[in-house]
Amino acid sequence: GNSVTQMEGPVTLSEEAFLTINCTYTATGYPSLFWYVQYPGEGLQLLLKATKADDKGSNKGFEATYRKETTSFHLEKGSVQVSDSAVYFCARADTGRRALTFGSGTRLQVQP
Amino acid sequence: EAGVVQSPRYKIIEKKQPVAFWCNPISGHNTLYWYLQNLGQGPELLIRYENEEAVDDSQLPKDRFSAERLKGVDSTLKIQPAELGDSAVYLCASSPGGLAGSYEQYFGPGTRLTVT
Repeated sequence: GNSVTQMEGPVTLSEEAFLTINCTYTATGYPSLFWYVQYPGEGLQLLLKATKADDKGSNKGFEATYRKETTSFHLEKGSVQVSDSAVYFCARADTGRRALTFGSGTRLQVQP
Repeated sequence: EAGVVQSPRYKIIEKKQPVAFWCNPISGHNTLYWYLQNLGQGPELLIRYENEEAVDDSQLPKDRFSAERLKGVDSTLKIQPAELGDSAVYLCASSPGGLAGSYEQYFGPGTRLTVT
């Protein structure tokens, strides 16, 4: 079935460090891909998306590029802030079911 | 614009008791989802509504879980009777939906259920 695999956390970085959170998906069809962020005590918020190969989604300094050849959608940010501390979820849209399949989440902790 | 509203935010009940969760989606969103999120995991779909019709309930444990969206707006998810393993966060999400609708989903804050 469709699945999404994320790197395990927690990822601990110092402020202003470079961030990469890896995400790969099963290559069934051409799904839309998403990154959601969940801050402590809050619901999931859409961070960015890409709907076709080579698309780059970006928001709030975060970027991710839809790589069909490697079935990946890695999340990157050039300089993280303490306020970026949260859990990040990679997800793919299942076209037929119109539902999202999520990875297990990666906790990011940014230290001042 | 108001986001997805859920209530209650927290609920503690004893096992074998019933519980209900309520969701009000973003205005105009035809598609409504209920997801289950276990601790340390990503959300998993329980049921999807297109307007008032449940079009995907294959992951809903129908022996104890039920849901409704009578007028195609608000929705209620019920568990009766609750079991210890039902302790989790129940998330509601909505999407514009439709044939040309976006796959983007907007989530509410969730209801954290603790069954003792």
